Amino acid sequence: AQSVTQLDSHVSVSEGTPVLLRCNYSSSYSPSLFWYVQHPNKGLQLLLKYTSAATLVKGINGFEAEFKKSETSFHLTKPSAHMSDAAEYFCVVRGGSGGGADGLTFGKGTHLIIQP
Amino acid sequence: DTGVSQDPRHKITKRGQNVTFRCDPISEHNRLYWYRQTLGQGPEFLTYFQNEAQLEKSRLLSDRFSAERPKGSFSTLEIQRTEQGDSAMYLCASRSDERGSPLHFGNGTRLTVT
Repeated sequence: AQSVTQLDSHVSVSEGTPVLLRCNYSSSYSPSLFWYVQHPNKGLQLLLKYTSAATLVKGINGFEAEFKKSETSFHLTKPSAHMSDAAEYFCVVRGGSGGGADGLTFGKGTHLIIQP
Repeated sequence: DTGVSQDPRHKITKRGQNVTFRCDPISEHNRLYWYRQTLGQGPEFLTYFQNEAQLEKSRLLSDRFSAERPKGSFSTLEIQRTEQGDSAMYLCASRSDERGSPLHFGNGTRLTVT
């Protein structure tokens, strides 16, 4: 069985400071990992994905994430937060076929708050 | 690539009525998914299709819910005899069969049952 844990339900940072959203996963297979962002009353937008190529993945809007197998982590970072980054962020793992929901598991989400 | 399209964006209905939502996936995507999302929660899997075949359905899904994808293109999600607990955002997503391909989401249909 696979699982995803987003370690913080809420994160608050000041505009212009770094952002760190933490995600740990467990999977029996070599996983694919994704980060999505959701603004109010919108669908989820893909920020970036890891699929066993480079361990440091760059995404849209200045976000990046590093896959660390030894730590089973896939934390999302951004050097400098912008007011428009305020949203809900979801970490998602796909751990191979045979799992429920086509092998996809969503984290519970992290609400990112940007202070002016 | 026009993205995943969902219709309607909002639906208000009275308890006991039936509602139907439509999803048009990205045209070359074989796989189509339905999720439900309530306020402050992550998406909850409902069902998914590969082409026209419904391959998986959540055990949590009531018999009042049914989904179809008759020609392997657009899909419909019907809820019969709606209840207030059905109020939620219903999200559709699609992806290709390529290994590691991500889900592409529509903007959802927000259902309010009064």
